[in-house]
Amino acid sequence: AQKVTQAQTEISVVEKEDVTLDCVYETRDTTYYLFWYKQPPSGELVFLIRRNSFDEQNEISGRYSWNFQKSTSSFNFTITASQVVDSAVYFCALSENFYPSEQGGSEKLVFGKGTKLTVNP
Amino acid sequence: DTGVSQDPRHKITKRGQNVTFRCDPISEHNRLYWYRQTLGQGPEFLTYFQNEAQLEKSRLLSDRFSAERPKGSFSTLEIQRTEQGDSAMYLCASSLRSGYTFGSGTRLTVV
Repeated sequence: AQKVTQAQTEISVVEKEDVTLDCVYETRDTTYYLFWYKQPPSGELVFLIRRNSFDEQNEISGRYSWNFQKSTSSFNFTITASQVVDSAVYFCALSENFYPSEQGGSEKLVFGKGTKLTVNP
Repeated sequence: DTGVSQDPRHKITKRGQNVTFRCDPISEHNRLYWYRQTLGQGPEFLTYFQNEAQLEKSRLLSDRFSAERPKGSFSTLEIQRTEQGDSAMYLCASSLRSGYTFGSGTRLTVV
């Protein structure tokens, strides 16, 4: 069965600090996707990134960066120079395919329990 | 508005009552998903529609739960004879190929 573990339940930092959120996953699939979502207090899940299991290149988007390491089954997320607006719960997720893509395949997401990040001014 | 809309945002109901939630996906998205999120947990998959066909259901979806998507547009999720354990955030998402767009959710409180 697929599983996503976010060992850090809560993290508190001071503004401008860098912070890394850990994500470890388990899957028997050879093709899969990994995601990060942000959930602010309003409750809506905001998509941050989707990464294909064949693409291990690290990605940077502004203050956000992601480190995908297949050898350790990890997909960690780093926020550089954190800001108060980054305060939210962050979820890592792993896709599980229902059907092959040629049959209109789709994905079910398996989420971790989330890491609550608080950035203090 | 091109987002996923859910109605109502909040619902308080007495135990034993029936409730129905509505989700309006992004118009061109043919795939629609329902997830449930309890306090302190990540969302858990409930069910999936491709157009009007319900193609996958989780074991979490007991006989008291039913979901429909008539005409492949909006979807409804009904819970009959609600129990306190049903209290959660119910999230809807839609997609065209890959990558979800989530709605803001309906928070259900059963008292």
